[in-house]
Amino acid sequence: DAKTTQPPSMDCAEGRAANLPCNHSTISGNEYVYWYRQIHSQGPQYIIHGLKNNETNEMASLIITEDRKSSTLILPHATLRDTAVYYCIVRSRGGYQKVTFGTGTKLQVIP
Amino acid sequence: EAGVTQSPTHLIKTRGQQATLRCSPISGHTSVYWYQQALGLGLQFLLWYDEGEERNRGNFPPRFSGRQFPNYSSELNVNALELEDSALYLCASSPWTGNNEQYFGPGTRLTVT
Repeated sequence: DAKTTQPPSMDCAEGRAANLPCNHSTISGNEYVYWYRQIHSQGPQYIIHGLKNNETNEMASLIITEDRKSSTLILPHATLRDTAVYYCIVRSRGGYQKVTFGTGTKLQVIP
Repeated sequence: EAGVTQSPTHLIKTRGQQATLRCSPISGHTSVYWYQQALGLGLQFLLWYDEGEERNRGNFPPRFSGRQFPNYSSELNVNALELEDSALYLCASSPWTGNNEQYFGPGTRLTVT
């Protein structure tokens, strides 16, 4: 499995864009980048995923570099409810591999 | 639409006992995944069930086992509990094996004393 590297923590002012980076330099061609978040003591929530094109949904945008070695999750207007741990993982679709989520990035949105 | 449900919410056991955790996937989902999240650590993949069969397991000893029932609900069993088994156990489901958009339940907090 491709491993990912994320900063352990970040702060973001409420109403501003939160940009969460993820490095996945060993990603292979058939692996997607997935983002989940986990609000304290709850199960993780799926946010977005992508292969090589940038993606946007109602929750966030995902920017993947051209070489696919890194990506950025963008929360355009962070709210206090976005305070959570954000996990970036990579895996292929179809079947399931022994993926470890890692420790993620703890995003603290500050009023 | 009801989400993934897990029971119990909290479970307290003593070392050496057995724990049974249950998960009901979203209606229509056939795949169930189990994860362990120990304090301060990330999510560790435990087991994957699909259509009643164990498809893959993570790097956990055999005392972690489970099964999936005909209605796609699942059970995780942990035998000979050890103190380090204390963790949040999360269950996730997805509609089919090719769809990796997993939806997680609230988890079961297992405390081993």
